[in-house]
Amino acid sequence: DTGVSQDPRHKITKRGQNVTFRCDPISEHNRLYWYRQTLGQGPEFLTYFQNEAQLEKSRLLSDRFSAERPKGSFSTLEIQRTEQGDSAMYLCASSLAVVQVEAFFGQGTRLTVV
Amino acid sequence: AQSVTQPDIHITVSEGASLELRCNYSYGATPYLFWYVQSPGQGLQLLLKYFSGDTLVQGIKGFEAEFKRSQSSFNLRKPSVHWSDAAEYFCAVASNTGNQFYFGTGTSLTVIP
Repeated sequence: DTGVSQDPRHKITKRGQNVTFRCDPISEHNRLYWYRQTLGQGPEFLTYFQNEAQLEKSRLLSDRFSAERPKGSFSTLEIQRTEQGDSAMYLCASSLAVVQVEAFFGQGTRLTVV
Repeated sequence: AQSVTQPDIHITVSEGASLELRCNYSYGATPYLFWYVQSPGQGLQLLLKYFSGDTLVQGIKGFEAEFKRSQSSFNLRKPSVHWSDAAEYFCAVASNTGNQFYFGTGTSLTVIP
């Protein structure tokens, strides 16, 4: 297993366009997390899944954001009608659904909205 | 509410010198604590973690951290810094259900030859 994989690594889009990011977690991990990181800040929690169920969402996740994990494996994060304020690094992480385990992070998708 | 404070935004050390990065947390119960490192444009790599037991934990790349409950701290240390250690370091605390990780704002480390 090569770890958490995210695609694309970089995305430049025009304001108002929709974008979709993909995350492939470590295969045996049933928890999957999305975080957003802006310049000079630590990652901020967006949402997490346990298997296919989305169990928690941050208030940072506006109505323009939607995340899915249809078969409990890979996940997608879609941003509709992108705004310049959406420019950030979007990080995906996965872990086992057991307390006292760490989350393993992917390399992130850098979104730039112009 | 859980929170993490990293008081030092940026630290510069000479190669071979010792390093200590500070982290203070706020959490009502026994915290699960982590240090992650991030190189430019990359994701986060786990350096070490504390769940319980021995308060001095060893991690990868020669790093260690000490949990001090009385000070609500989890400071990261390394006895001799290498140029390759230059990166951003993040302290994090996890909720006791493990479903959220709260990160500090990070400390940027510069290593001078």
